Amino acid sequence: AQSVTQLDSQVPVFEEAPVELRCNYSSSVSVYLFWYVQYPNQGLQLLLKYLSGSTLVKGINGFEAEFNKSQTSFHLRKPSVHISDTAEYFCAVSERSGTYKYIFGTGTRLKVLA
Amino acid sequence: GAVVSQHPSRVICKSGTSVKIECRSLDFQATTMFWYRQFPKQSLMLMATSNEGSKATYEQGVEKDKFLINHASLTLSTLTVTSAHPEDSSFYICSARAGDREAFFGQGTRLTVV
Repeated sequence: AQSVTQLDSQVPVFEEAPVELRCNYSSSVSVYLFWYVQYPNQGLQLLLKYLSGSTLVKGINGFEAEFNKSQTSFHLRKPSVHISDTAEYFCAVSERSGTYKYIFGTGTRLKVLA
Repeated sequence: GAVVSQHPSRVICKSGTSVKIECRSLDFQATTMFWYRQFPKQSLMLMATSNEGSKATYEQGVEKDKFLINHASLTLSTLTVTSAHPEDSSFYICSARAGDREAFFGQGTRLTVV
């Protein structure tokens, strides 16, 4: 079974400052890793994904994440945030085989302050 | 990326009635579709996994007789909330996946039972 932990339920940060949203996972099998963003009353938009290859993954809107297998982490970073980045961010893992179902973390609310 | 269309985006129904939510993959064939439920300010909880032409697999604690899932074709899955009650009010999100590709999410359906 897999599990995902997002320790920070809310992260306030000033505009143009850097931000890191933490994600740790647990799994007995190999997984794919994802970060999604959700705006109010909307579905999920994929920010980036790690399937294989380079452990540093670049996504949309200037976000990037680094897969660290030894620490079982997949933290999301952005060097300079904008007001429009205010949203809920979810980390997710998926089995590499079988049902491929996703398990989501509890989410981190990023609030960008002017 | 691929597009998943979910309909309706919002629905209000009377207590005791049934509501059907559709999830369509518009430009790819989805071998697997997933249904999630999301309570306010919480994460997505997987309700069930459905594969085309076979019965859905429900997560523990999800009433299969209340949440009927049909995956009749490779592009369409439906979730029917039967005999809805106010406690069924929630945000329901579907996702569709083709093989080991990442899942693509619908925009969600806000169900309000009055």
